[in-house]
Amino acid sequence: QSVLTQPPSASGTPGQRVTISCSGSSSNIGSNNVYWYQQLPGTAPKLLIYGNNQRPSGVPDRFSVSKSGTSASLAISGLRSEDEADYYCAAWDDSLSGVVFGGGTKLTVL
Amino acid sequence: EVQLVESGGGLVQSGGSLRLSCAASGFTFSMYWMYWVRQVPGKGLVWVARLNNDGSGTNYADSVRGRFTISRDNAKNTLYLQMNSLRAEDTAVYYCARAVDPGVRGVGYWGQGTLVTVSS
Repeated sequence: QSVLTQPPSASGTPGQRVTISCSGSSSNIGSNNVYWYQQLPGTAPKLLIYGNNQRPSGVPDRFSVSKSGTSASLAISGLRSEDEADYYCAAWDDSLSGVVFGGGTKLTVL
Repeated sequence: EVQLVESGGGLVQSGGSLRLSCAASGFTFSMYWMYWVRQVPGKGLVWVARLNNDGSGTNYADSVRGRFTISRDNAKNTLYLQMNSLRAEDTAVYYCARAVDPGVRGVGYWGQGTLVTVSS
């Protein structure tokens, strides 16, 4: 059972906009930055976006995030086949003094 | 280019020990918090341990506290995870990871992972 809650799956067609939610509590999302990772099949996770829409070099601005209270969302616009992957949210948890992850969302591009 | 290369994984019997290493390059290792995160194949990511930049502060997940020890050698740009009293449920791919920025607690760059298999 993960501390952060994500839907197990999401899907969309090419060009669509898809959102993935991440729900937590006041000790994690409510008081710390949220990080999103993309994990392509058979590879290590990669930091996708975090905080106030900060993206590592090379990540397109099709990916954006929002946060309200103890929940956060990742939005992917202009969906592409190469976006098919597992997506994880994470945040520092002040009560646990550690990093907490969501269970992951498998995104399928139909 | 930031590079994190894990080594030391393998097959070990339940109750045994293993030490993972993570060789870092492409950045000033001594400035960043470092992490270990594990993933059972086909399952989600689980944080294991975290160590601050000078090695003076650590945190562990409840599932490994008292059995695993995270440490670093800033002179060798290397992170370690000493794993004792291993259990079947410790079987996973173990990733070494670096904080996004100095002094920031978020996980940024990841290594390619090393597989640890604990046989019962």
